[in-house]
Amino acid sequence: DAGVTQSPTHLIKTRGQQVTLRCSPKSGHDTVSWYQQALGQGPQFIFQYYEEEERQRGNFPDRFSGHQFPNYSSELNVNALLLGDSALYLCASSVGNTIYFGEGSWLTVV
Amino acid sequence: AQKITQTQPGMFVQEKEAVTLDCTYDTSDPSYGLFWYKQPSSGEMIFLIYQGSYDQQNATEGRYSLNFQKARKSANLVISASQLGDSAMYFCAMRDFNSGNTPLVFGKGTRLSVIA
Repeated sequence: DAGVTQSPTHLIKTRGQQVTLRCSPKSGHDTVSWYQQALGQGPQFIFQYYEEEERQRGNFPDRFSGHQFPNYSSELNVNALLLGDSALYLCASSVGNTIYFGEGSWLTVV
Repeated sequence: AQKITQTQPGMFVQEKEAVTLDCTYDTSDPSYGLFWYKQPSSGEMIFLIYQGSYDQQNATEGRYSLNFQKARKSANLVISASQLGDSAMYFCAMRDFNSGNTPLVFGKGTRLSVIA
């Protein structure tokens, strides 16, 4: 049984560009959440998707947007990248209190 | 608002010894869950153990146990018989339940180094 899978694992972008990160949840999990983890910090909640709708959102600007597909997979899009967007982006899938994370996507903005 | 505090930025432990990682939390919600995750240098957050606020007994999962003291709002992780592979960042997290499917709130983490 595959766990949560994320792609790409590493990427480098230039300021002002746009990026799309992808997440496939663990089998049977219908809720997907995205977190940003800056260096030396704990993960910060970006938003959560359930039934293809954004259900909750953390304190992140509108440059951060997402989508959930009918198969529960999800995308995180970040527009107009800033140097401060450099971080590890973690996807978590859950059902009830069972919450599993993927290996993350390391984004570097130069 | 929920808050997690991990006061130990780094800890060292001798191989085969036990170690306790501290976590205190703050919430006004009577129903909540507490989680511990391990994060190796690869980045993946690995689920270790869960404790519900109404659980009567402390949670245990293999070499991991959670010392839950509700009145003191603490949820310390105890790792017994430390192994070199336990060297990693450890995060305490919580979520409230009365407000629906709330996201996890994390502490800043503790870096554990196991010494041979």
